[in-house]
Amino acid sequence: DVKVTQSSRYLVKRTGEKVFLECVQDMDHENMFWYRQDPGLGLRLIYFSYDVKMKEKGDIPEGYSVSREKKERFSLILESASTNQTSMYLCASYLQNTEAFFGQGTRLTVV
Amino acid sequence: QKEVEQDPGPLSVPEGAIVSLNCTYSNSAFQYFMWYRQYSRKGPELLMYTYSSGNKEDGRFTAQVDKSSKYISLFIRDSQPSDSATYLCAMSPASGTYKYIFGTGTRLKVLA
Repeated sequence: DVKVTQSSRYLVKRTGEKVFLECVQDMDHENMFWYRQDPGLGLRLIYFSYDVKMKEKGDIPEGYSVSREKKERFSLILESASTNQTSMYLCASYLQNTEAFFGQGTRLTVV
Repeated sequence: QKEVEQDPGPLSVPEGAIVSLNCTYSNSAFQYFMWYRQYSRKGPELLMYTYSSGNKEDGRFTAQVDKSSKYISLFIRDSQPSDSATYLCAMSPASGTYKYIFGTGTRLKVLA
């Protein structure tokens, strides 16, 4: 059974904290993605990676960075968390032009 | 104008109704079309995946693609309360990008 696993379902962090969201996939996919999902705005792409150590900015990269040291793991980093980064974060992986598999999501609240 | 437009709903229907969910798009290069279902507080999961134009059926679900009109639809027959979820369309061109473009999602409520 294919899987994308995100390290936390729910997180509460304080403003200014550095936050790490981890994502691991077991399908040997080259492409991995981080989205945030907000009501009325849908899924917005933050960053993606098409190979180890490769990364590309998505539509809303400001305030975020990523790390991909191994093929199966893609981390999203909030350098200094702010309240406007309170959101649902979704990790996905896929081969090009095939089904995207999503993790269960991390609901992050920044207070 | 967004590349993909989807009515956010909510759409409320009685159990057993036929549901029609739709997306329009502007990029004629899109070749791959997908529908995802997302239950509350969960990640999206793939329902239907189609390439180019035509229909695809899977149980109570039928996906239609009309490339000439840049319009895709998902039909749900004999809708059930368990179909209550948000439905997202997604699409991508055949080549040249790693990105899928998602609609904002339509929230569906099937009333028992």
